[in-house]
Amino acid sequence: DSGVTQTPKHLITATGQRVTLRCSPRSGDLSVYWYQQSLDQGLQFLIQYYNGEERAKGNILERFSAQQFPDLHSELNLSSLELGDSALYFCASSVGLAGVVNEQFFGPGTRLTVL
Amino acid sequence: GIQVEQSPPDLILQEGANSTLRCNFSDSVNNLQWFHQNPWGQLINLFYIPSGTKQNGRLSATTVATERYSLLYISSSQTTDSGVYFCAASSGTYKYIFGTGTRLKVLA
Repeated sequence: DSGVTQTPKHLITATGQRVTLRCSPRSGDLSVYWYQQSLDQGLQFLIQYYNGEERAKGNILERFSAQQFPDLHSELNLSSLELGDSALYFCASSVGLAGVVNEQFFGPGTRLTVL
Repeated sequence: GIQVEQSPPDLILQEGANSTLRCNFSDSVNNLQWFHQNPWGQLINLFYIPSGTKQNGRLSATTVATERYSLLYISSSQTTDSGVYFCAASSGTYKYIFGTGTRLKVLA
């Protein structure tokens, strides 16, 4: 158990819909990262938050948004869903401070299926 | 940005055999990790190793930062070692770039 929790584990929805994925980081970790794993694109970084603020952005679509709340949990919102958004979405967390070990710990993932 | 390449893409071993997985990266890194993705999709941390050598049981890893590669050694492989092994690295930031993985199948 990495200490990172993600809900739900599975999500099945239809095209055009909107879903919210939730992540709770390990105790003490200030940084949260979202990654997408799809068959054709592999594992790709989406976005990073550090202590409530956006820190880095990767290949995240405009239809996707995220935020990190004061209690440090994070949510990834996916809207106007398309078939190609079907993927495994991982959340990871790390301490996030410069000058220290920033090993990332991954949650179990949310498997999204868009029909 | 940094590029991460892994080899071989696929590996089939008999139980008890040893193997070496390689990860090459295109720039200097400040973070590097090896992961095992099991058949259920979970990403399990194996090593955090931006430089040096570490060992954990039958697994060990070495990163030669100056030559931009990392190696993961699996000794006396077991069927439970099957899955995909990923190397991920970051350069200047904390966001990881993942390699395409090595798919390992260990036969009983």
